[in-house]
Amino acid sequence: DAKTTQPTSMDCAEGRAANLPCNHSTISGNEYVYWYRQIHSQGPQYIIHGLKNNETNEMASLIITEDRKSSTLILPHATLRDTAVYYCIVRPLGGATNKLIFGTGTLLAVQP
Amino acid sequence: NAGVMQNPRHLVRRRGQEARLRCSPMKGHSHVYWYRQLPEEGLKFMVYLQKENIIDESGMPKERFSAEFPKEGPSILRIQQVVRGDSAAYFCASSPLDYNEQFFGPGTRLTVL
Repeated sequence: DAKTTQPTSMDCAEGRAANLPCNHSTISGNEYVYWYRQIHSQGPQYIIHGLKNNETNEMASLIITEDRKSSTLILPHATLRDTAVYYCIVRPLGGATNKLIFGTGTLLAVQP
Repeated sequence: NAGVMQNPRHLVRRRGQEARLRCSPMKGHSHVYWYRQLPEEGLKFMVYLQKENIIDESGMPKERFSAEFPKEGPSILRIQQVVRGDSAAYFCASSPLDYNEQFFGPGTRLTVL
């Protein structure tokens, strides 16, 4: 089972920042927070990941709270092409497997 | 650098036939993962392979499903005696090392008539 909780859906106006929250209150010290998205009918796309520090790349920023029990993915200037299901995944570093456990994600609808 | 390639993109089979799905990982990637997405459902892990080895098959149905990643050539997900419930999108992902981010292919959409 997924170890994260996300809102089912969110709307965002084109050109505005999209802030997608994720709760992972049972996260362990050796678990990273990963974000992927799936645009309709396509394969999932990696966005960003982090352990405890905030991270930024060309796609997005990831803000992780100090207690690591929640995080927020920020798309600074959402476009219509960012409409997708966004998945927040916690994943251990080390162990016997490397699988991603997807929850139900957040459907982000960017409105013109 | 080409991304993960999957073929065929669409596959139609009748009940009882075999389905073979192929996945070519990104260049330099030696880890392959298969996931299944049933209609209107989320992505579910099936199997994790390295070259010539199955590392984790905890998500594979016990019967009719098998996977391989030979020393040469693509990874193959094989479904024997398909049933209508096997209709789904099957995604392959690859990574260069353990615990790196996984890069996904475009998927194979299997329809069982």
